Amino acid sequence: RKEVEQDPGPFNVPEGATVAFNCTYSNSASQSFFWYRQDCRKEPKLLMSVYSSGNEDGRFTAQLNRASQYISLLIRDSKLSDSATYLCVVRGLTGGGNKLTFGTGTQLKVEL
Amino acid sequence: DTGVSQDPRHKITKRGQNVTFRCDPISEHNRLYWYRQTLGQGPEFLTYFQNEAQLEKSRLLSDRFSAERPKGSFSTLEIQRTEQGDSAMYLCASSLGGTTEAFFGQGTRLTVV
Repeated sequence: RKEVEQDPGPFNVPEGATVAFNCTYSNSASQSFFWYRQDCRKEPKLLMSVYSSGNEDGRFTAQLNRASQYISLLIRDSKLSDSATYLCVVRGLTGGGNKLTFGTGTQLKVEL
Repeated sequence: DTGVSQDPRHKITKRGQNVTFRCDPISEHNRLYWYRQTLGQGPEFLTYFQNEAQLEKSRLLSDRFSAERPKGSFSTLEIQRTEQGDSAMYLCASSLGGTTEAFFGQGTRLTVV
């Protein structure tokens, strides 16, 4: 089982739609959670951290369920500029370290 | 520019040659990470440093790969006797401590021919 699993997509949605991405992680000792955005042939950039109580940043809402080891990202009122790959990222105490582990990413395409 | 910088941005090399990449992290960041990314995959962890100490190295990393961060500032990643399977984007990231988000450089794209 992969440490961080995501549906690779692609998710093709019309502009203005609401879309949700899910992510599961295997290490129950994981401590921090993030969503990163990666545009084609560019480096990943932090979209938002994910907190236990859930958090919102404009059109983006992130949720964490520690019991189910599940993270979600909701994008409301999708824009063409939201088209990118969204990477679920988990930081935990694996192997004595504190590395960031990435999922394979979920590709989003927002269309007119 | 005070972000993470990587050099070179692109590298084409012949199979069997050695290559070295450099990463300059954000100046106050004590943690530095190296990742490798191939098309359609998320970044794959290679190794990370806290200051000059290499704290973890992926078991997927063969003996041909070595990384250093001699003074706790910039880091180098060397690949010896490159193989075609080494072709990928090599990403460096840095963070302040172990709980904050990591910031990535633009990566070095390696092509082994």
